[in-house]
Amino acid sequence: DIVMTQSPDSLAVSLGERATINCKSSQSVFYSSNKKNYLAWYQQKPGQSPKLLIYWASTRESGVPDRFSGSGSGTDFTLTISSLQAEDVAVYYCQQYYDTPQLTFGGGTKVEIK
Amino acid sequence: QVHLVESGGGVVQPGWSLRLSCAASGFTFSSYSMHWVRQAPGKGLQWVAVISSDGTKKYYPDSVKGRFTISRDNAENTLYLQMNSLRTEDTAMYYCARDFSYGSGTYLLSWGRGTLVTVSS
Repeated sequence: DIVMTQSPDSLAVSLGERATINCKSSQSVFYSSNKKNYLAWYQQKPGQSPKLLIYWASTRESGVPDRFSGSGSGTDFTLTISSLQAEDVAVYYCQQYYDTPQLTFGGGTKVEIK
Repeated sequence: QVHLVESGGGVVQPGWSLRLSCAASGFTFSSYSMHWVRQAPGKGLQWVAVISSDGTKKYYPDSVKGRFTISRDNAENTLYLQMNSLRTEDTAMYYCARDFSYGSGTYLLSWGRGTLVTVSS
């Protein structure tokens, strides 16, 4: 199975500042045939179910604010919140679907307000 | 608007069985693969099972293979998870989720609110 490792486990960021979350896969999730990275990001707010933010590593889901962006390729990926808002307090997870059907998630990164 | 509503959770003893259901609406259920994903209290997400849109392909991680069975009724727009030989480590919130596609699994577009399963003696 592909192991997904996120860092840091948690971070505290001031309102309006940038938050950066890292995700590393134990093997590449890039398919050279279609030049796509098989990686998604989810947001889980306290007491809620997860919500899809980004897929194919950098494509924002409809309705997701543009302050959220995804980048990276191969084994190293980043989710960036360009200007943290109070409503962004949540746990964020990466997920690979390269090794389908064996889907695996990262351990999560908790984002709080400093 | 996509709507996924899980039910069937509860408190059971180790070794017992439980069947979860997920009622789907707001989309063409028979066109998409469906998943179960669980989250132990205070922990991260773990994929549990996927079933293809036509119900012919089913996959599980080793942690539940042979004990859990995913199924679907496309006429009733309902997804199921039959859980046998339950263990304390199966205690979790169980979420039903809709896949982007119809095959073996990609990213998860929509999630239900979950149903809580507690396995305890």
